[in-house]
Amino acid sequence: KQEVTQIPAALSVPEGENLVLNCSFTDSAIYNLQWFRQDPGKGLTSLLLIQSSQREQTSGRLNASLDKSSGRSTLYIAASQPGDSATYLCAVEETSYDKVIFGPGTSLSVIP
Amino acid sequence: EAQVTQNPRYLITVTGKKLTVTCSQNMNHEYMSWYRQDPGLGLRQIYYSMNVEVTDKGDVPEGYKVSRKEKRNFPLILESPSPNQTSLYFCASSSTGPPSDEQYFGPGTRLTVT
Repeated sequence: KQEVTQIPAALSVPEGENLVLNCSFTDSAIYNLQWFRQDPGKGLTSLLLIQSSQREQTSGRLNASLDKSSGRSTLYIAASQPGDSATYLCAVEETSYDKVIFGPGTSLSVIP
Repeated sequence: EAQVTQNPRYLITVTGKKLTVTCSQNMNHEYMSWYRQDPGLGLRQIYYSMNVEVTDKGDVPEGYKVSRKEKRNFPLILESPSPNQTSLYFCASSSTGPPSDEQYFGPGTRLTVT
């Protein structure tokens, strides 16, 4: 059964730092991996979607990589800002059952 | 504006009283899905639908029903709610569903069952 984990569970950094969030999954049979952002009391906003055949995707200060064989993805945030404070979740779409499995999230706090 | 809407946003109810949470999307998406989010357990998929009249169970379907009579709507039905269904619920949609498409999420419905 697919399991998705995220490390660290929480992270606090000063403004301006570059940071890396990690996502691991146990079954490499995935269609894609998606990174989301969730603000307190709000829904989820899609940040980046990486297809299984891709290695990375970039959007502004965000860069996500995917290594399917090792079951890992990283989300790199450059020059962090207080507005980046949120919970970041990764999710994989399985090929076997068309299901989406989420990780537990990393709570990020960027201190001004 | 492209969006996924859910109603109600907040609901407090009692055990056993049937309720429906509506979900609607205006993007002509084929794939729709329901999730629940619980502290320590993260987001878990309840049901999903690949298209009209096509639904399937996710990881935690017990106690829930869905229907997909029209493309834009995907209501979540709790026939006899119980306290363990107290949770934050999200509806999502995507253009073609798996594989390879970005999901859009609604704002969430916070349900409390007493």
